[in-house]
Amino acid sequence: DAKTTQPPSMDCAEGRAANLPCNHSTISGNEYVYWYRQIHSQGPQYIIHGLKNNETNEMASLIITEDRKSSTLILPHATLRDTAVYYCIVRVGGQAGTALIFGKGTTLSVSS
Amino acid sequence: NAGVMQNPRHLVRRRGQEARLRCSPMKGHSHVYWYRQLPEEGLKFMVYLQKENIIDESGMPKERFSAEFPKEGPSILRIQQVVRGDSAAYFCASSTQTGANYGYTFGSGTRLTVV
Repeated sequence: DAKTTQPPSMDCAEGRAANLPCNHSTISGNEYVYWYRQIHSQGPQYIIHGLKNNETNEMASLIITEDRKSSTLILPHATLRDTAVYYCIVRVGGQAGTALIFGKGTTLSVSS
Repeated sequence: NAGVMQNPRHLVRRRGQEARLRCSPMKGHSHVYWYRQLPEEGLKFMVYLQKENIIDESGMPKERFSAEFPKEGPSILRIQQVVRGDSAAYFCASSTQTGANYGYTFGSGTRLTVV
């Protein structure tokens, strides 16, 4: 079973920031938080990951609370093409052999 | 640098036939993972393989399904005697040995339709 809890759906206006929350209250000290998204039945796409520090890349920012029990993925300027299902996953880092376990994710709908 | 290649993109099989799905990992990736996505459902992990070894098959159905990743060539997911319930999108992902740093790269999937 997935170790994360996400809202089933969210709406966002085009050009605004999309803030997607994720709860992972049972996260262990060696588990990373990963975010993926799946656009309309395509293969999932890696977005970002982090351990305890906030992270930023060209796609998004990841804010992890100090107690690491929750995090927020931020898409700073959402576009229509960001409409997708977003998955928050926790997994032990440094071990390629541990499978990513996907939950139900959050369906983000970006509208003009 | 080509990504993860899956073929065919679409596959139609009659009930009782065999389905073979192929996955070529990214160059330099030695770990392959297969996932299944039933219509309107989430991604379910099936099996994790390294070259010539099955590491974790905890998500594989007990019967009719098998997977391999030979020393040479792509990984193959094989479904024998397909039934309508096998209709789904099957995704393959690959990673390096230390893939945790950026997770997996997924292919575009194979859509299997059983008629």
